[in-house]
Amino acid sequence: AQKVTQAQTEISVVEKEDVTLDCVYETRDTTYYLFWYKQPPSGELVFLIRRNSFDEQNEISGRYSWNFQKSTSSFNFTITASQVVDSAVYFCALSEYFDYGGSQGNLIFGKGTKLSVKP
Amino acid sequence: DVKVTQSSRYLVKRTGEKVFLECVQDMDHENMFWYRQDPGLGLRLIYFSYDVKMKEKGDIPEGYSVSREKKERFSLILESASTNQTSMYLCASKRDRPNYGYTFGSGTRLTVV
Repeated sequence: AQKVTQAQTEISVVEKEDVTLDCVYETRDTTYYLFWYKQPPSGELVFLIRRNSFDEQNEISGRYSWNFQKSTSSFNFTITASQVVDSAVYFCALSEYFDYGGSQGNLIFGKGTKLSVKP
Repeated sequence: DVKVTQSSRYLVKRTGEKVFLECVQDMDHENMFWYRQDPGLGLRLIYFSYDVKMKEKGDIPEGYSVSREKKERFSLILESASTNQTSMYLCASKRDRPNYGYTFGSGTRLTVV
């Protein structure tokens, strides 16, 4: 069965600190997708990144970076020089790669990590 | 800009009322989903639909039903609202292929009194 674990329920940092959000997943599939979403206090989940299991290259987008390690089944998310606007709940998710319809391709979410960035 | 629109941002209903939560997407996505979100419990899938008139139970379907008469609209129905259904409800949609993940609506915060 597929499962996503975000062990950190809440993290609190001071502005400008770096912070890493952990995500560990379980799947029997050899090919799959991993995602990160951000949910600010307004409520809407916003897509951040999608990574397929073929590509283990790390990705950087501005202050955000993602470290995908297939060997440890982890897909961690780092925010460099955090800002108050980064305060949100962050969700990691997993889905099958080949979507033949029905429930295939549905995302399996972790429980989320609430990040508070204090000024 | 592509959108998933939920009809109400905040809703207050009385116990026993029949409640309709509406969700409309303009992306021609095949799949639509209803989640509820509660503190400490993450996102829990209530129902999903992978085609018009098709519906599948998620993890917590009890007390809910759904309707998908048109591709763009997916309605969540609380037949007889109860206080334990007070929650944030999130609608999402997804294309079959390629799998770009979900697009979410902004949520409906429902309070049942």
